[in-house]
Amino acid sequence: EVKLLESGGGLVQPGGSMRLSCAASGFTFTDFYMNWIRQPAGKAPEWLGFIRNKANGYTTEYNPSVKGRFTISRDNTQNMLYLQMNTLRAEDTATYYCTMGITTYWYFDFWGPGTMVTVSS
Amino acid sequence: DTVLTQSPALAVSPGERVTISCRASESVSTLMHWYQQKPGQQPTLLIYLASNLESGVPARFSGSGSGTDFTLTIDPVEADDTATYYCQQSWNDPWTFGGGTKLELK
Repeated sequence: EVKLLESGGGLVQPGGSMRLSCAASGFTFTDFYMNWIRQPAGKAPEWLGFIRNKANGYTTEYNPSVKGRFTISRDNTQNMLYLQMNTLRAEDTATYYCTMGITTYWYFDFWGPGTMVTVSS
Repeated sequence: DTVLTQSPALAVSPGERVTISCRASESVSTLMHWYQQKPGQQPTLLIYLASNLESGVPARFSGSGSGTDFTLTIDPVEADDTATYYCQQSWNDPWTFGGGTKLELK
């Protein structure tokens, strides 16, 4: 059974940094692209970016809305996905989801329960 | 970015048929997908590639469309279908989601 579990959310001041983690299990982690998606309360989800699988060199792609501030990485020995967020703004306040799609048609079969990030002074 | 427009809300009675629409600002071919989100939960995939039913999803759900106009149909609607439904496109980078349609049962 595929399981994704995010952690690391909380309260952070504007301009600060935070790293989110996602523990993955139930599948061969290195075979799949992994994504981060966020959703402000009461609003639509927003795709943030992905990191490719082993066959594609673990390279990354980002939504221009966060490119340069957010960095996605993975630890394939621990089956962990990370999202490093820098220079945080109030508008980054959201629930952050780790997601995975079985295919590369870029829909998301599996989502974690999410971790909430609040950017406020 | 490709903008996906959905009606904000719908109210239907159990047993009725409901169609939820999603219009894209530019063609997305058939790379349109639908999710259901209940309060306090993560979204779950219902339909992928416009018309394919995700495993485990009841056959009451179906999808259609191509290009810029897409529809999610629930027939018949059940009480448990109370949720917000989002469309998502993956033809144009960055992938984007619609604003969601909140389905309420009368």
